[in-house]
Amino acid sequence: NAGVTQTPKFQVLKTGQSMTLQCAQDMNHNSMYWYRQDPGMGLRLIYYSASEGTTDKGEVPNGYNVSRLNKREFSLRLESAAPSQTSVYFCASSEYWGGNTEAFFGQGTRLTVV
Amino acid sequence: GESVGLHLPTLSVQEGDNSIINCAYSNSASDYFIWYKQESGKGPQFIIDIRSNMDKRQGQRVTVLLNKTVKHLSLQIAATQPGDSAVYFCAERHQAGTALIFGKGTTLSVSS
Repeated sequence: NAGVTQTPKFQVLKTGQSMTLQCAQDMNHNSMYWYRQDPGMGLRLIYYSASEGTTDKGEVPNGYNVSRLNKREFSLRLESAAPSQTSVYFCASSEYWGGNTEAFFGQGTRLTVV
Repeated sequence: GESVGLHLPTLSVQEGDNSIINCAYSNSASDYFIWYKQESGKGPQFIIDIRSNMDKRQGQRVTVLLNKTVKHLSLQIAATQPGDSAVYFCAERHQAGTALIFGKGTTLSVSS
C-alpha cells in the first residue's frame, strides 16, 4: 500500500518555465490537498479538492492551478515559475473534507526556481 | 495571520526523558486538533488527534492535552528516543468543513 505518491521528488526550473507536479493516492480518499512548506513556516494550503470534480483555493493559490483528474489523482501546475515558488510541495489526502480525520502526506517535491 | 503557533522553535532532551511540546492557538471555535511528526526529507506523519470535547487523549508513548480555557495544546512524549528526533507540528481546524491550519513547528532533538 503506497499511500500518497508524488512525482517528481526533485526539480529545478528556470524562471518562466512551467511544470506539473503529480500526485496519486491509493486509499480511496475523497479529498486531496496541495501544501507548500517554506523554511521556518508551517504548511500552507495552496489548493484543495474536497471531492472528485471540485477544486477550491486555499491560503496561497496565486501562481498555481490544479486538476483533479479522477478520484486518485490531483495535479498542481506552475504556469510560469518564479523564484518565490521555490519550496517543498506536499500532496495529501483524507477520507473526507473537513471531517475529524487526519490527512496522509506524500514524501514531497523539492522545487527550486532559478 | 498565524493562528497556530508553538512556544519554542527547538527543544533538546536526553534519551529517556519525557518531552513536552507546546502549541498555542488563537481561535476559540477550533474543534479539532492534530499533531504531526516530520522527519528530515519526509512528509508529515500523523501522531495523534483530539476533538474539542476532550481534554486528553493517549496513544502509544504519546499524550495530547487540550486546555480550551487558555487555548493551549501540548504533546507529551514519554521515554523519548533518538528516533523521536523530528519537527513536530500542531494543526487546528476552525470549524467543521474547513481546512487544517498548521503551526510553524518545533524541532525536537534527542541526544543519547
